[in-house]
Amino acid sequence: AQSVTQPDIHITVSEGASLELRCNYSYGATPYLFWYVQSPGQGLQLLLKYFSGDTLVQGIKGFEAEFKRSQSSFNLRKPSVHWSDAAEYFCAVGLQTGANNLFFGTGTRLTVIP
Amino acid sequence: DAGITQSPRHKVTETGTPVTLRCHQTENHRYMYWYRQDPGHGLRLIHYSYGVKDTDKGEVSDGYSVSRSKTEDFLLTLESATSSQTSVYFCATRDPAAKNIQYFGAGTRLSVL
Repeated sequence: AQSVTQPDIHITVSEGASLELRCNYSYGATPYLFWYVQSPGQGLQLLLKYFSGDTLVQGIKGFEAEFKRSQSSFNLRKPSVHWSDAAEYFCAVGLQTGANNLFFGTGTRLTVIP
Repeated sequence: DAGITQSPRHKVTETGTPVTLRCHQTENHRYMYWYRQDPGHGLRLIHYSYGVKDTDKGEVSDGYSVSRSKTEDFLLTLESATSSQTSVYFCATRDPAAKNIQYFGAGTRLSVL
């Protein structure tokens, strides 16, 4: 069965510091991979996606993520965090068959301190 | 943004009452999904639809039913609401031409007292 693990429930970083949010998945084949961001009281916004090809993908708001097949990971990074990045971040795995349903991790809440 | 509107945005109801949540989209996406979001669980799929009158169960479908009579509308019904169904409900849509990208509505916060 497929699963997504985000080991960090809550991360606090200083504004301007670098950020890495971890995501590991379990799936029998190469999945589609996604990072979504959710601001308080809002829906989910797609940050970036990986389908195939270059394992380093660029997203919106200066985020990037790297797919590492050997580690079953898809970690999200940003070199310099802004106060507006404070939100909850969800990693998701998408199946390549059927209805292409998404399976989400439990989320990582990011707090940014001045 | 796939033009997704969820209604109502907030609802408080009592145990045992029926509740219907509506998702309306303007992009003519074939696939529509209902998720619930709970602390410590992320988002979990309740039901999904792959066309008009074509629906299937997701991971946490017990106690929920859905209907899709038009491409643009996907209804989620709690026949007899329970306190365990207090949650935030999200609708999503997907255009098959855009692979597996799902677009989400703003959510409905439901409290069952």
